Amino acid sequence: GAVVSQHPSWVICKSGTSVKIECRSLDFQATTMFWYRQFPKQSLMLMATSNEGSKATYEQGVEKDKFLINHASLTLSTLTVTSAHPEDSSFYICSARDGVGEKLFFGSGTQLSVL
Amino acid sequence: QKEVEQNSGPLSVPEGAIASLNCTYSDRGSQSFFWYRQYSGKSPELIMSIYSNGDKEDGRFTAQLNKASQYVSLLIRDSQPSDSATYLCAVNNYGQNFVFGPGTRLSVLP
Repeated sequence: GAVVSQHPSWVICKSGTSVKIECRSLDFQATTMFWYRQFPKQSLMLMATSNEGSKATYEQGVEKDKFLINHASLTLSTLTVTSAHPEDSSFYICSARDGVGEKLFFGSGTQLSVL
Repeated sequence: QKEVEQNSGPLSVPEGAIASLNCTYSDRGSQSFFWYRQYSGKSPELIMSIYSNGDKEDGRFTAQLNKASQYVSLLIRDSQPSDSATYLCAVNNYGQNFVFGPGTRLSVLP
């Protein structure tokens, strides 16, 4: 299947700092990527849809000024958690449709811990 | 509102048994259906996709689709402890987002 790379795998930061998470499609071009958040033992929650060359589409209740998404190329989308607080601690996962657009593949996820 | 529903579990089966995971969806326009496996602390991994009514087999896994009943299932034969994970059902209508169910936790007891 298609490969989606996500970095970093885990990050610990102080409250008030910003954290950037990268998501790359390694062997295909992804015009659309998705960002999810998952709390322990809970289901995936779609945060936003990232579109190459245009503004991201955010789900209801997700603050676009806090979770900045940039999709500057067909292989890279970034999520920046600005002014992180302990309640932002979560598992963040990106995904992308494969080149044919039929299937969704996930990055390995980023565990964010805000102290 | 488009929804995908699954029993949260946990579903416990003994090693070697058949595990049966079920999923229903509300959007009749759905075209493609997927099963993902997610181990604790890891991201989801695609294990099966199915697009037409009937059964699709891949190794120990069989996906079953019934569009009239809006029902998708996943059978795992000869269940192993390593199959213990959360299984996510996902549904897609071409051009729109993938909608995920809440997942079913499967526990295979040695």
